[in-house]
Amino acid sequence: AQSVAQPEDQVNVAEGNPLTVKCTYSVSGNPYLFWYVQYPNRGLQFLLKYITGDNLVKGSYGFEAEFNKSQTSFHLKKPSALVSDSALYFCAVRVRNAGNMLTFGGGTRLMVKP
Amino acid sequence: DTAVSQTPKYLVTQMGNDKSIKCEQNLGHDTMYWYKQDSKKFLKIMFSYNNKELIINETVPNRFSPKSPDKAHLNLHINSLELGDSAVYFCASSQETGSNTGELFFGEGSRLTVL
Repeated sequence: AQSVAQPEDQVNVAEGNPLTVKCTYSVSGNPYLFWYVQYPNRGLQFLLKYITGDNLVKGSYGFEAEFNKSQTSFHLKKPSALVSDSALYFCAVRVRNAGNMLTFGGGTRLMVKP
Repeated sequence: DTAVSQTPKYLVTQMGNDKSIKCEQNLGHDTMYWYKQDSKKFLKIMFSYNNKELIINETVPNRFSPKSPDKAHLNLHINSLELGDSAVYFCASSQETGSNTGELFFGEGSRLTVL
């Protein structure tokens, strides 16, 4: 069985400071890892993904994430947070196959204060 | 053009009623999904269809029945609605064959409230 853990329900950061949203995963096989963002009353928007190759992946809105196989982690980062980054962030994992579903973590609410 | 569209966006109904939520994707994807997001924002897969064929059916009451008339549509019908069915239901799609890496594209959600 595959699973994702996001250990922080909420992350608070001041505007302009760097942010990190943590994610660890458990999966049999090579993982495909994703980050999604959800703004209030909206659907999930794809931010970035790790499939293979370079462990540091860059995505939308200046976000990046680092795949760490030994720690089974895929933390989301941004060098300088914006108030508009405040939203709910979901980490997700799957093994690529039509019969394998995308499993989400519980979500982390990011609050960026001016 | 909206890539994955769901209707209705909001649905308020009484216990015991039957309701449907429709989903359409214009991305040409071969796989569609229904996810349920509860009040704590936890996302859980309900169903997945690949080229109109059911491939994932998680532990969901029989009152929930998905129907895929073609690979661009996946509708969700719910019989005998219960209070616990209140949630936001998200439709999603992905391309599972070829060089695509299988990220999901989500609709805006359908908020179901059962009174």
